[in-house]
Amino acid sequence: AQKVTQAQTEISVVEKEDVTLDCVYETRDTTYYLFWYKQPPSGELVFLIRRNSFDEQNEISGRYSWNFQKSTSSFNFTITASQVVDSAVYFCALSVPYSSASKIIFGSGTRLSIRP
Amino acid sequence: DGGITQSPKYLFRKEGQNVTLSCEQNLNHDAMYWYRQDPGQGLRLIYYSQIVNDFQKGDIAEGYSVSREKKESFPLTVTSAQKNPTAFYLCASSFGLAGYTGELFFGEGSRLTVL
Repeated sequence: AQKVTQAQTEISVVEKEDVTLDCVYETRDTTYYLFWYKQPPSGELVFLIRRNSFDEQNEISGRYSWNFQKSTSSFNFTITASQVVDSAVYFCALSVPYSSASKIIFGSGTRLSIRP
Repeated sequence: DGGITQSPKYLFRKEGQNVTLSCEQNLNHDAMYWYRQDPGQGLRLIYYSQIVNDFQKGDIAEGYSVSREKKESFPLTVTSAQKNPTAFYLCASSFGLAGYTGELFFGEGSRLTVL
């Protein structure tokens, strides 16, 4: 069975601090994809990144970076120099296309609050 | 602008009533999805449709029904058989199969409250 665990339910930091959101996944398949989505207060989820299981390179996009480690089944998300606009619920997700091409399994989300 | 439009944003329903949530997209996407979001539980898939006139049950389809008569539209009906319908409902679409692309485009959601 596939599963995504986001153990941090809520995180609150002061603006400009760095913050890391943890994501641990479970799957027995060797081919899978991992994703991060952001849900701002407006409600719609916004796609941030996709990573396939064969690419363990870390990725950086501005203040955002992602660390994928197959050895620990983790796909963590770091925001550097956080800003108030980063406040949102963040979801980590997993898909195993050869098992179910239409299904994305979401974690329970981490609510991030950035205090001015 | 292209995107997904859900309506209504807020909906109140008495027990025993069916309600229909609207979802329209102008992204020319083939696949559309309905998710339910409850506090602390993430998103759970209700139904999905890969092409017009075809749809499949997701993980929690009981008490829900859908139709896909047009590519742009994928309405969700919450029936009286749904035991705990109070939730936030999100509609999404994708260009290809979501399991491969992963890039779902979401609407702003509909919050249903049963009184």
